Amino acid sequence: QVQLVQSGAEVKKPGASVKVSCKASGYSFPGYYIQWVRQAPGQGLEWMGWINSNSGAAKYAEKFQARVTMSRDKTTSTAYMELSSLRSDDTAVYYCARDTVALSGMDVWGQGTTVSVSS
Amino acid sequence: SYELTQPPSVSVSPGQTATITCSGVKMGETFVCWYQQKPGQSPLLVIYQDTERPSGIPERFSGSNAGNTATLTITGTQAMDEADYYCQAWDSNTGVFGTGTKVTVL
Repeated sequence: QVQLVQSGAEVKKPGASVKVSCKASGYSFPGYYIQWVRQAPGQGLEWMGWINSNSGAAKYAEKFQARVTMSRDKTTSTAYMELSSLRSDDTAVYYCARDTVALSGMDVWGQGTTVSVSS
Repeated sequence: SYELTQPPSVSVSPGQTATITCSGVKMGETFVCWYQQKPGQSPLLVIYQDTERPSGIPERFSGSNAGNTATLTITGTQAMDEADYYCQAWDSNTGVFGTGTKVTVL
């Protein structure tokens, strides 16, 4: 079946970086985009950006432009989101989600990865 | 930055209609999606391209988009529909989520 499986929970110190993986299966990975969305505790959803799984082109939210890098490995059907210079307010659940090339809707979501940032 | 405003909460009796609005200055210029999220779960796409339902989403979920407001309507609301709902739209390939609405089925 179509699914996205994310890497496990992370605990980081302020100033460190985190890299979350999202492994796709059950569909043609290059044919879709991967979106990244985060949710701080008790808060709403926040869009971080997308990556074209075929070309590797990415679009980031302005808020994260200087700190985020999205990448993919077509050989393993895996997308990655790396966030640097972590702060306590980066503590959140990070989700990856599949979207069409027309950005028509995120129809398959990963289970989420909890990233905790604390000194 | 582009903002999408939703009412914080909506209460509805079982079997009645729940209406959730999403307001933004560019709503009429972009397609809108709606996501349902239950506690401890990943979001679920319930409406895409303003009015379309993904496979497996019940017919009681419908959407519209006109002027500066998109609307998600749940007709004949069931207890299982109690959740947070988020609208989502695009502004020059930049995504934005609405502030979210908690639907309570009383």
